[in-house]
Formats: sequence, C-alpha cells, structure tokens
Amino acid sequence: GESVGLHLPTLSVQEGDNSIINCAYSNSASDYFIWYKQESGKGPQFIIDIRSNMDKRQGQRVTVLLNKTVKHLSLQIAATQPGDSAVYFCAETGYGQNFVFGPGTRLSVLP
Amino acid sequence: AAGVIQSPRHLIKEKRETATLKCYPIPRHDTVYWYQQGPGQDPQFLISFYEKMQSDKGSIPDRFSAQQFSDYHSELNMSSLELGDSALYFCASSLGVHGNPLHFGNGTRLTVT
Repeated sequence: GESVGLHLPTLSVQEGDNSIINCAYSNSASDYFIWYKQESGKGPQFIIDIRSNMDKRQGQRVTVLLNKTVKHLSLQIAATQPGDSAVYFCAETGYGQNFVFGPGTRLSVLP
Repeated sequence: AAGVIQSPRHLIKEKRETATLKCYPIPRHDTVYWYQQGPGQDPQFLISFYEKMQSDKGSIPDRFSAQQFSDYHSELNMSSLELGDSALYFCASSLGVHGNPLHFGNGTRLTVT
C-alpha cells in the first residue's frame, strides 16, 4: 500500500504508555476540530471531534484538549497499543470554510 | 456501516492522458469533498459539492474538473496529466457543509508516467 508520511515528525512510545500528539492551528475563526488517523494505504479515519465551546472531550481511550487562547489542540491516547501506529492529522474548520489539515505526526508504538 | 467508496483503487496513466476518478458517498450524505495527498504531505483540499452544486474550490488545477450527480456520487476529471499529478486522491462525504465530520474513502492512487 501507499506509504504515507515518509518524512513526518515521529513520536515513539512504548506499548502501554500514554501518547500525546500536538497540533497548532492558525485560524482564530475555526470552531470545529477533528483528529484523524491514517494507516498506510487507507484514507484518514475519524477519531474524535471537538467544538470550540468545549475544552475537553473524551472517547474510548482518546481525549482531545482544545486551548483556544494559544490555538492548540492535543490528542491523548491512553494505554497505546500496536494498532495505534499510524499518522495522525488534526483538521480545523470554521463556518463557510473548508477543513484544513495540519502536517501530521507519525506515531510508532514500540513493543 | 456503509463507507465512502472510491474507484478505481489504483490508476496508471501516461503524461497528457485523461483520468476519471469516481466517488460514492455514504448514503444520505449530501456533501462531497476531493482532496489530493502527496507522499509525506497532509491532504490538500481541491473542491467540494453540496446538493450537486459546487460549494467551494481550493487548489484544483484548471485541467481538473468535477461534478456531483443527482444520486450524489461525484467524479473528478483530470486532463493533460502531468508527472506532478501523481498522488493519492481522496474523496470524503459529510452531512451538510459545516459542523459534521468528513468521512473518507480509501483513495485512488494515481501514477502518471
């Protein structure tokens, strides 16, 4: 399959540890944010979203934090598993705007 | 659950040829987006359609065109292909144009030789 993210920043974590992936966004008018996971040869897969009226949202093993003051978004993955290895993108949008994707981070889970 | 279907999965074309990529959105989704992703790059927005009308346009070359049909499927037509057009092309669909996530297909890998 296609190899995605050949030269992306890489975060390496031990299996079972928690992972934190960060994203800085630029548009202060953005009000809706999504984290996507992309595995090799596949399209981006929705993980979790958050709206600008929230600071934190939790899903199954994942938490997204939004800091509008510094325009920062983070994705926390609890008890990271080998299946979490992928490239992670944040995406932002505002009303009347299209989604803009961040540069992506490759997560590598070490056994 | 039904997902976004893209065809073909792989396509090899020569320079100056044309290509047509197809996208079938998730049932009841009325908005379709096309993105281009080069190696090691984030997806770049090309064009989107809402209720069969173009809703926004991004970095789509003039050699490319797209449309959304009455059954909501979409086609991306690419002419006078160049080597630099080699990339993954993703289609995504959503319900409405704002406030709902995009759901992506698995893409078409276009190779121009």
